[in-house]
Amino acid sequence: GAVVSQHPSRVICKSGTSVKIECRSLDFQATTMFWYRQFPKQSLMLMATSNEGSKATYEQGVEKDKFLINHASLTLSTLTVTSAHPEDSSFYICSARDPWGTPKYYFGSGTRLTVV
Amino acid sequence: QKEVEQNSGPLSVPEGAIASLNCTYSDRGSQSFFWYRQYSGKSPELIMSIYSNGDKEDGRFTAQLNKASQYVSLLIRDSQPSDSATYLCAVPSGAGSYQLTFGKGTKLSVIP
Repeated sequence: GAVVSQHPSRVICKSGTSVKIECRSLDFQATTMFWYRQFPKQSLMLMATSNEGSKATYEQGVEKDKFLINHASLTLSTLTVTSAHPEDSSFYICSARDPWGTPKYYFGSGTRLTVV
Repeated sequence: QKEVEQNSGPLSVPEGAIASLNCTYSDRGSQSFFWYRQYSGKSPELIMSIYSNGDKEDGRFTAQLNKASQYVSLLIRDSQPSDSATYLCAVPSGAGSYQLTFGKGTKLSVIP
């Protein structure tokens, strides 16, 4: 089946530094990708929708200057958490929409970010 | 505001039984429906998609869709302890946004 690869799976960084998370669709072209974050025992929260070749659409309350999203190709989207703070510690998950045939949505394995 | 409703559970079933998970949605125009399984600390995994009224079977899983009643369900036959997870129902928001609207998930526990 289709696979979405997300890296790194786990990262620890110091406050004030930036972290980049990559999301790749391995066997389909994803014109649309999504970034979520999830706190323990809570639901997925959509952060932004990433469209190839255009600016991301951010959900209300998500700081676009803090969470930089780049969707430079049909198979790669990146999320950069800039000037990270401990409250940014969370589980970040990407999802890619496979539009061919009947559309499906696949998730990456997630990135657990810890800011110390 | 499009809505997807699920019973949060927990739903407990004995090993070998059938687990029945239910989901209702508000947008009558929805065309595709997805079930995801999420283990604690892991990302969601697509287990079933359904687009037409009726049943769709894949191994021990059966998805059932009734568009007239705006209802989609997931049956898990011969439930195993490894099926213990949170099951998420998701429906695309449509109108070009392609975002998925998720239910809050049903936590399933399969008791050995």
